Amino acid sequence: QVQLQESGPGLVKPSGTLSLTCAVSGGSISSSNWWSWVRQPPGKGLEWIGEIYHSGSTNYNPSLKSRVTISVDKSKNQFSLKLSSVTAADTAVYYCARAGSRGAPRYFDLWGRGTLVTVSS
Amino acid sequence: QSVLTQPPSVSGAPGQRVTISCTGSSSNIGAGYDVHWYQQLPGTAPKLLIYGNSNRPSGVPDRFSGSKSGTSASLAITGLQAEDEADYYCQSYDSSLGNYVFGTGTKVTVL
Repeated sequence: QVQLQESGPGLVKPSGTLSLTCAVSGGSISSSNWWSWVRQPPGKGLEWIGEIYHSGSTNYNPSLKSRVTISVDKSKNQFSLKLSSVTAADTAVYYCARAGSRGAPRYFDLWGRGTLVTVSS
Repeated sequence: QSVLTQPPSVSGAPGQRVTISCTGSSSNIGAGYDVHWYQQLPGTAPKLLIYGNSNRPSGVPDRFSGSKSGTSASLAITGLQAEDEADYYCQSYDSSLGNYVFGTGTKVTVL
């Protein structure tokens, strides 16, 4: 079955750039799905960051749009997140998730295990 | 803060029925957007519980049910079990914000 696995540095310095990758296994990233990033600060709720389709089309949370870039690498069957100018407020568990093309809005039917990223000097 | 409001906590004894509300507005639930629900067990990733207001993915027990009316939605858990202790989140879309939105989350405690 399809699985998602996040990877990347667990510690990022303030004002730096957070970079994470989500590897898709057991299925193709070129399927009819959208691929998202969602984060959860410690002890708090979920926040959607953005999504990408295998064609490269993206949608971002307007509150983060100026700092976020999501890209896809079909040759490696993975997609990535870059978040620039990070502060302590960006400390969170970052999840990658899959959303089908159906639904209004789309729903997230598969999640990675998540990776904790701490912003600290 | 989120535009979808949930009660911080609900509790019930084993076997009882509990409900979790998700209150929105005319720019999200009230605009006709579907509501989805997720269960997050301690220390794990969220799991899809209900999609399209009232549909259960394969493998989700029929003890879980969802409904939507007006600007609100609800998740009901009947025959509460110890394994249902978790955080629950609703999710929809907000046209004013232009993005997917999650509810504030509700912690369910089995007494």
